[in-house]
Amino acid sequence: NAGVTQTPKFQVLKTGQSMTLQCAQDMNHEYMSWYRQDPGMGLRLIHYSVGAGITDQGEVPNGYNVSRSTTEDFPLRLLSAAPSQTSVYFCASSRAGWSYEQYFGPGTRLTVT
Amino acid sequence: RKEVEQDPGPFNVPEGATVAFNCTYSNSASQSFFWYRQDCRKEPKLLMSVYSSGNEDGRFTAQLNRASQYISLLIRDSKLSDSATYLCVVNMDTGRRALTFGSGTRLQVQP
Repeated sequence: NAGVTQTPKFQVLKTGQSMTLQCAQDMNHEYMSWYRQDPGMGLRLIHYSVGAGITDQGEVPNGYNVSRSTTEDFPLRLLSAAPSQTSVYFCASSRAGWSYEQYFGPGTRLTVT
Repeated sequence: RKEVEQDPGPFNVPEGATVAFNCTYSNSASQSFFWYRQDCRKEPKLLMSVYSSGNEDGRFTAQLNRASQYISLLIRDSKLSDSATYLCVVNMDTGRRALTFGSGTRLQVQP
């Protein structure tokens, strides 16, 4: 049972490039979310999804897109990378919904130069 | 005011010590509370949920004070392996269906 997986683990982008961070879970969880974590700050919610075909914005959605075509996958797309998007990105999922225990993936460390 | 506020620390304690962290939250309507643990450069993992009556899991005790809007985590008989960042997590009930994370309190247990 792999849990929540994220790829890649590390990525360096140049300003203006686009890319997709992948997230997948094999626990049949309906709820999935993306957070970013910056030094000295808590995890900040980017986007979330309560089920396939349903997504919504979090606290810091600008510059990011998401889609949820299947229960298992929840990719995060950076449209035009900026240095301010240098961060560690975590994907999470929850069995029982958004107010219950979240299971996190190992994270993607992104640097934008 | 931050929605979920924690003392960043670090708390430096010797092995065997008892240490306590507090976390304050801004929304009196919040219903769900958790403590997560995050090791350096790793993902957060659930340590324990916090129940209204308080709860204990081995050396860890969590308490909720609704009147003063804070939760606490007490660690007894600290081990070197307890060194980590402890994240306070709250359901802020803002209409957005997501938990709100504090920025964490760092604990360093020394031999």
